Amino acid sequence: EDQVTQSPEALRLQEGESSSLNCSYTVSGLRGLFWYRQDPGKGPEFLFTLYSAGEEKEKERLKATLTKKESFLHITAPKPEDSATYLCAVRNYNTDKLIFGTGTRLQVFP
Amino acid sequence: EAGVTQFPSHSVIEKGQTVTLRCDPISGHDNLYWYRRVMGKEIKFLLHFVKESKQDESGMPNNRFLAERTGGTYSTLKVQPAELEDSGVYFCASSQGTGGYYGYTFGSGTRLTVV
Repeated sequence: EDQVTQSPEALRLQEGESSSLNCSYTVSGLRGLFWYRQDPGKGPEFLFTLYSAGEEKEKERLKATLTKKESFLHITAPKPEDSATYLCAVRNYNTDKLIFGTGTRLQVFP
Repeated sequence: EAGVTQFPSHSVIEKGQTVTLRCDPISGHDNLYWYRRVMGKEIKFLLHFVKESKQDESGMPNNRFLAERTGGTYSTLKVQPAELEDSGVYFCASSQGTGGYYGYTFGSGTRLTVV
């Protein structure tokens, strides 16, 4: 059964304190690993899609990497506006649906 | 470009009542998806439309849930009769094509509370 596990559940950082969020997955034929950001009361906002091990993508202070078993979302010198819940999801070859993890709630303090 | 619009944003109903949620996808997006997040759990897939046809409804919890997509445009999700465990946030997403290559755009969700 396809499954996504995210850690930690919650993370508190001081502004400027870099860290990483983890997404471990098992999937029957990966056809994309997705990172989303979700603010309170809003829907998930797309950040990245990764398709194969070794792939990396960057956007501002965020960098996503992918191995055969997990993905990391690295946050460099975070700012308070980076505070949000970060969601990881995978899609397999057989269906067109996303399987989500429970997310990591990030709080960045000034 | 307008995003995915969901209505209402909040709904509070009594157990046994009927509620209809609506989703307007991005114009031109043939693929429309419904997801749900129950308190403390992950977001879970409910079903997938391609135009007006149901492509995958494997995530629908039971026959109290009925989804339609009129003319391949907007979609409705009806819960009848509602039960307490149906409470949660219902998200709609749309995509230009399948596979996520064009990205999935989510709406802000409808928070449903059944009391």
